[in-house]
Parts: sequence; C-alpha cells; structure tokens
Amino acid sequence: GAVVSQHPSRVICKSGTSVKIECRSLDFQATTMFWYRQFPKQSLMLMATSNEGSKATYEQGVEKDKFLINHASLTLSTLTVTSAHPEDSSFYICSGARDRGPDTQYFGPGTRLTVL
Amino acid sequence: AQKITQTQPGMFVQEKEAVTLDCTYDTSDPSYGLFWYKQPSSGEMIFLIYQGSYDQQNATEGRYSLNFQKARKSANLVISASQLGDSAMYFCAMREVPPSGGSNYKLTFGKGTLLTVNP
Repeated sequence: GAVVSQHPSRVICKSGTSVKIECRSLDFQATTMFWYRQFPKQSLMLMATSNEGSKATYEQGVEKDKFLINHASLTLSTLTVTSAHPEDSSFYICSGARDRGPDTQYFGPGTRLTVL
Repeated sequence: AQKITQTQPGMFVQEKEAVTLDCTYDTSDPSYGLFWYKQPSSGEMIFLIYQGSYDQQNATEGRYSLNFQKARKSANLVISASQLGDSAMYFCAMREVPPSGGSNYKLTFGKGTLLTVNP
C-alpha cells in the first residue's frame, strides 16, 4: 500500500506562535495532497487541496492566510498554522493521491495540535 | 442535505460475529466512488474498501465487504468474524466528479460510526 507520514505527531504551542506540519508520501508520488481537520468525535473536514507546484485551493470558510499550504515537491506538503490560537487546536490529517483523478487517498497518521 | 449519512453513532458486536455499518449517500452524478475508512483511537485513517458506481459486483477485501445497492443509494460495510482489533470509528466517504472548472476529486465524509467489539 501507499504510505504517508506526518511530522510532528503532536505539538503544543503558545498562542500567537506559528506551527508547521509536514506531510510526506514515502513510497509514491503524490500529485495531489489534501489537508483535513478533525475536532473530537467529529468527522473529517477538508480544509484545502494542493497540487504539486501550484497554489492550494481552499474550502469555503478556511482562511488561506492563516493556514499556509505549500506543496513544493511530489512527496512533500506542509501546512503552517500562523498565529495559532486555542480555537485552532485540533487533529490535522493529510492525505496524498497519485493524480488529480479518481485515485484513492492515502492518509497520514495525523498531527494533534494543542494551542495554549 | 447531507451527502453521506451514517445513521448509527455507535454499534456493538460480539467477537466472531458479523456486523453491518450503514451508509447512504446522495448524488446526482452517474460516476462516483464510495470508500470506507477505519480510524482507531490512534487517529490514523486506514483505507478498507472501495466501490465504484459502475462496478457490477460488490467489493470485497478479506473480512470486509461492501453491500452496494445503487437504486437505494446505500453502501453498507459488512465486517465478518469481528475481532477485538476492529473496535474503531468507521467512516463512509464519497468521491464525486469535480464541478465544471474544478480539477480535483474530493472526498466527503459521513459522521462516522463507533464500533465496539465485545469479547
């Protein structure tokens, strides 16, 4: 199967700081990567879609200046939560797909962000 | 209207028995895909099974099978011979053709069903 890693798995930061989360596809080239957030006992909500080498497409209601997404290579995408606040505390999960078409998304293990 | 509906917030099953997790969907597209993912307490989303809208046969993967009833727009997951390690959240998801001008296929998830397998 296709493997996706995320780093860090957990992060605790102070309010006002920025946090970067990395998402890597380990054994395939992810033309497309997706970023989700999940609040406790809730479903996954898509935040944005990124294609390698182009700007991310954000879902309605997601602040693109707050959640910076970079997809610089076919194996790496990063999500930076800028000026984090306690309400940004959540579980962030990325996934990768081999193409823009109907390929299965393979998910990373997630990053739990806690903003104090 | 919700695109993916999972009506069972929680389900219990005895070890070694079979269990069915319900999923209904709503789409007007003729081409779509349906997925089931498992999320244990560790948080990782594990892909279980996929069913394409044009697939003639129900998908099966080991102990997992998908009961696809297209006319009823349902895609229930059947887990046979439940194991203690099956205890987790299960999410049904649908992938649709992107709207005109869009290029990425996105997943829409249901709210999930928490399955507990009792010894």
